[in-house]
Amino acid sequence: AQKVTQAQTEISVVEKEDVTLDCVYETRDTTYYLFWYKQPPSGELVFLIRRNSFDEQNEISGRYSWNFQKSTSSFNFTITASQVVDSAVYFCALNCPNTGGFKTIFGAGTRLFVKA
Amino acid sequence: DAMVIQNPRYQVTQFGKPVTLSCSQTLNHNVMYWYQQKSSQAPKLLFHYYDKDFNNEADTPDNFQSRRPNTSFCFLDIRSPGLGDAAMYLCATSGSTDRRAEAFFGQGTRLTVV
Repeated sequence: AQKVTQAQTEISVVEKEDVTLDCVYETRDTTYYLFWYKQPPSGELVFLIRRNSFDEQNEISGRYSWNFQKSTSSFNFTITASQVVDSAVYFCALNCPNTGGFKTIFGAGTRLFVKA
Repeated sequence: DAMVIQNPRYQVTQFGKPVTLSCSQTLNHNVMYWYQQKSSQAPKLLFHYYDKDFNNEADTPDNFQSRRPNTSFCFLDIRSPGLGDAAMYLCATSGSTDRRAEAFFGQGTRLTVV
């Protein structure tokens, strides 16, 4: 079975704090893709990053960084020096093209509150 | 500029009265998706089109139908909305033929059933 678990339902931080959003995935496929999306109050999901199962390099994009570890089936997302505009729901997602086709499985999401 | 546009943003319909939600895209993507997202839950895939090929998820109720008359437009028809169908409906597109591409989402249509 394929599954994405985001154990943190809500996180609240004060502006400028660093925050890490956890994501654990399950799949038996060897080829898969992991994603993070941001859903601000306006509603649309905004793509942040894609990682494939053969590339474990961590990635940094501005204040955002991602830590992909196959050994623990985790794909965690860190926001450095958080800002109020980072307040949103963040979804981790998994696609297994060989068995799941176009279906992307989303985690339940983590709601991040950043207070000024 | 918005690339995936959903209309309307808010829709109120009566219990049992058919309703249609629309989605258009300017990306010329060959895959279009419809997701249902209930409050504080993850988006749940209802179905998707790969070009004209329709793919229904096994647990999508028959009450939900879809049409894709051309590459740019896709419609979600709810034949007899029930109170449990109140949700945000998200349309998305992706352009890859190898299924790995990220999806581009519209802003969603929030459906209320009264």
